[in-house]
Amino acid sequence: AQKITQTQPGMFVQEKEAVTLDCTYDTSDPSYGLFWYKQPSSGEMIFLIYQGSYDQQNATEGRYSLNFQKARKSANLVISASQLGDSAMYFCAMREGNAGGTSYGKLTFGQGTILTVHP
Amino acid sequence: DVKVTQSSRYLVKRTGEKVFLECVQDMDHENMFWYRQDPGLGLRLIYFSYDVKMKEKGDIPEGYSVSREKKERFSLILESASTNQTSMYLCASTRAGGSTTKNIQYFGAGTRLSVL
Repeated sequence: AQKITQTQPGMFVQEKEAVTLDCTYDTSDPSYGLFWYKQPSSGEMIFLIYQGSYDQQNATEGRYSLNFQKARKSANLVISASQLGDSAMYFCAMREGNAGGTSYGKLTFGQGTILTVHP
Repeated sequence: DVKVTQSSRYLVKRTGEKVFLECVQDMDHENMFWYRQDPGLGLRLIYFSYDVKMKEKGDIPEGYSVSREKKERFSLILESASTNQTSMYLCASTRAGGSTTKNIQYFGAGTRLSVL
């Protein structure tokens, strides 16, 4: 079974509008972390935002926020006031733990969503 | 700023060649990773290392090996390159820590490998 599912292969948004990129995950580990990365056409992976499974508040980083619904196992990325430079591939990823609450830090990625921002 | 440096951005090799992809990080991170990225499949973990000389298989280790002789350097080796190993390869590193700590995984710029 897929551990991370991004159901939107592509999304379009008008400049200055908000957009939500969907991510659902599957884990039986109570301790996990969720990440979103941006990959522009140049190829580098840029960290955007992080949510820990025990965090009470939804994470926010500037124009990025994470709509974390733990019971539904979803961690959607919301980008407010889209800019042309937001056009990129976006990946959702999950980090699970080892026994004892430690982690080697390895991530499981979704398939990605290509976001296109129109002027 | 954390820096993860991959030795080549683009590489073209012949089938059967031995290929080395090098990765160096400058933040004294314990954990290092090699992923490959293919369209529609996202990033898939090939191997990772949590200490010098320690390595663990990821989800798709077949056809690959790795080496970590120094903490800052993690090499991916294709013993005998094949055309189905044509892909984008990404190296990453992160600090050791608990499963819910905000230890960000930092990536290199990637190596686009073509095997002909």
